[in-house]
Amino acid sequence: AQKITQTQPGMFVQEKEAVTLDCTYDTSDPSYGLFWYKQPSSGEMIFLIYQGSYDQQNATEGRYSLNFQKARKSANLVISASQLGDSAMYFCAMREARTTSGTYKYIFGTGTRLKVLA
Amino acid sequence: DAGVTQSPTHLIKTRGQQVTLRCSPISGHKSVSWYQQVLGQGPQFIFQYYEKEERGRGNFPDRFSARQFPNYSSELNVNALLLGDSALYLCASSLREGVKYNEQFFGPGTRLTVL
Repeated sequence: AQKITQTQPGMFVQEKEAVTLDCTYDTSDPSYGLFWYKQPSSGEMIFLIYQGSYDQQNATEGRYSLNFQKARKSANLVISASQLGDSAMYFCAMREARTTSGTYKYIFGTGTRLKVLA
Repeated sequence: DAGVTQSPTHLIKTRGQQVTLRCSPISGHKSVSWYQQVLGQGPQFIFQYYEKEERGRGNFPDRFSARQFPNYSSELNVNALLLGDSALYLCASSLREGVKYNEQFFGPGTRLTVL
């Protein structure tokens, strides 16, 4: 069965430094998508970055980059130049391959709480 | 453009009662998904609707049901509430199915407390 594992319940980083949030996944499907979301205390999930299983290059979106190591089944999020506003919960998610009913499902990890220190 | 909206923001119910949560997707989005997020955990997939048809269901009991209306808004119903149903219920919309990647946009959620 598909599974997402985030082993860091909490992380601290100094403002302006880079931080890596770990994510490993397990799937037997050759086609899948990996996502990272940010969830501030307000509760809304904010899409950050996407990596497709067939993408040759690691995804980047501004200060966010995804370190995709397919053989190791890891998809770590790297946040460069951390800002105080980056303090939030971060979730790694995987989109399952299309089901027999023709739909996709998403599986989320348990999240990592990031605290940026001034 | 307005994002995904959900109502109500907060809700308090007692065990055994029924609740209806509402979601309006981003204009033009035809797919709506519902998630339950218990405190301290990641979201768990409940339902997905596309073009008013149920296209996916997670491992939730039959007490949970949903529907999508012609304007693509959606309702999530939970009957015979249990204490364990207390959670943040998130709605997400996406443009359509079958695209290269199916980015979902989430609403602010409805926080349900069952006493």
